[in-house]
Amino acid sequence: EPEVTQTPSHQVTQMGQEVILRCVPISNHLYFYWYRQILGQKVEFLVSFYNNEISEKSEIFDDQFSVERPDGSNFTLKIRSTKLEDSAMYFCASSVTSGYNEQFFGPGTRLTVL
Amino acid sequence: QQPVQSPQAVILREGEDAVINCSSSKALYSVHWYRQKHGEAPVFLMILLKGGEQKGHDKISASFNEKKQQSSLYLTASQLSYSGTYFCGTERSYLDMRFGAGTRLTVKP
Repeated sequence: EPEVTQTPSHQVTQMGQEVILRCVPISNHLYFYWYRQILGQKVEFLVSFYNNEISEKSEIFDDQFSVERPDGSNFTLKIRSTKLEDSAMYFCASSVTSGYNEQFFGPGTRLTVL
Repeated sequence: QQPVQSPQAVILREGEDAVINCSSSKALYSVHWYRQKHGEAPVFLMILLKGGEQKGHDKISASFNEKKQQSSLYLTASQLSYSGTYFCGTERSYLDMRFGAGTRLTVKP
């Protein structure tokens, strides 16, 4: 069964460093999302992406965040200058058609900022 | 902007029923329900679109009251495998889903 994959599974970085989290959505999916979940808290929407551009973004997704689809398969989330409060699990998700459809979540990348 | 879920936590015995509620102060296009087990990614359960429909599979069903901007998830004859945190996700606009704080469900033998 096709699935969303994410790498790395765990990333440890120093405050102020840049990190890139990678995701490979399901191949025939057209809509991509990033969410984050601080330990023990709810899943928070960051951004949605369609047709090579951002469709929606939340108030969390400020200038230090960016997303890119550098090739036909990868979808990346870049955090330019990490802060302690960026420590969280980051989930990538994809859906085959519009937002009113099932989103398939990847296993997540645990980001730890020291 | 995010939906409000209730209750925050539920403890059941196997075979008992539970209802989890999700409400929004804003008009909704859709409501998604996901279940997340500890240390895992959320897994889709179902989506309800405008129209007040009710859906279900197996012993888990949900309803969406568009007028009240509320959705309820019904778990009947709960099984141990139902344990986890249930999130509702609501879409007020295209491709912008916000999750509630979650309801932690524990099913005991």
